[in-house]
Amino acid sequence: NAGVMQNPRHLVRRRGQEARLRCSPMKGHSHVYWYRQLPEEGLKFMVYLQKENIIDESGMPKERFSAEFPKEGPSILRIQQVVRGDSAAYFCASSPDDVEAFFGQGTRLTVV
Amino acid sequence: AQRVTQPEKLLSVFKGAPVELKCNYSYSGSPELFWYVQYSRQRLQLLLRHISRESIKGFTADLNKGETSFHLKKPFAQEEDSAMYYCALKAGGTSYGKLTFGQGTILTVHP
Repeated sequence: NAGVMQNPRHLVRRRGQEARLRCSPMKGHSHVYWYRQLPEEGLKFMVYLQKENIIDESGMPKERFSAEFPKEGPSILRIQQVVRGDSAAYFCASSPDDVEAFFGQGTRLTVV
Repeated sequence: AQRVTQPEKLLSVFKGAPVELKCNYSYSGSPELFWYVQYSRQRLQLLLRHISRESIKGFTADLNKGETSFHLKKPFAQEEDSAMYYCALKAGGTSYGKLTFGQGTILTVHP
C-alpha cells in the first residue's frame, strides 16, 4: 500500500488563477480529511468527506474553496481565484473507519 | 472551541539526555490527545494516543486533566528522534480525522 498520495507536491499559481489539489486515499479508505498549514502555524482542519458526501466542512473558508470526493477517482480540493494568503501546505489524510487518520506528504501551494 | 499549545518551537538536547516536549490544551469536555511525528522528508504519522497508554520508541505521555497537559517524554534521547512533533486533540463526538493541532516543536538531538 503506497500510502496517501497527494499531487502535485508543489504548485505555483498566479493571483486569480485556480488551484486543484488531488488526494488519492489509501486502498480501502473511504474517509478523507483536508488540512491547511499556514507558515509558522499548526495544521488546521478544513473538511471531512466520505465518498460523494461532505460530512463536515466547518473549517472551510466560505468563499472560493470547495472539496469533493467522487465515487471514482481522487478527492479534489479546489481553490478559485487564489490570493497570496492561500499560500500554505495542504495536507490530506484518509481512514478506513474513522479511527486513525493516515496523512499524505502534502502539497505546497505558492501564490505569486 | 478547543485549543492546543506547544510553547516550545525549538528544543535541543544531547544524545542520552532526557527530553520532554510540552503540550497544553483547553477544552471543556473530555478530550482524546495524540502525539504525531514528522521525520525529515516523511509524512506525518501517529506516534501515540493517550487512551492506549502505550510506549512507542521509548516515548510516553500522560494525560493530566488537572493541569490540562499531555507532555511527551523520553528518558534517553537518540539522534533518530530528531523530528517535528505535533500534539493534537480530538473533541468528544467528532471524527478522528478532525483534530486540533498545536504549532509543533522541532526536536534536535545532538550527538
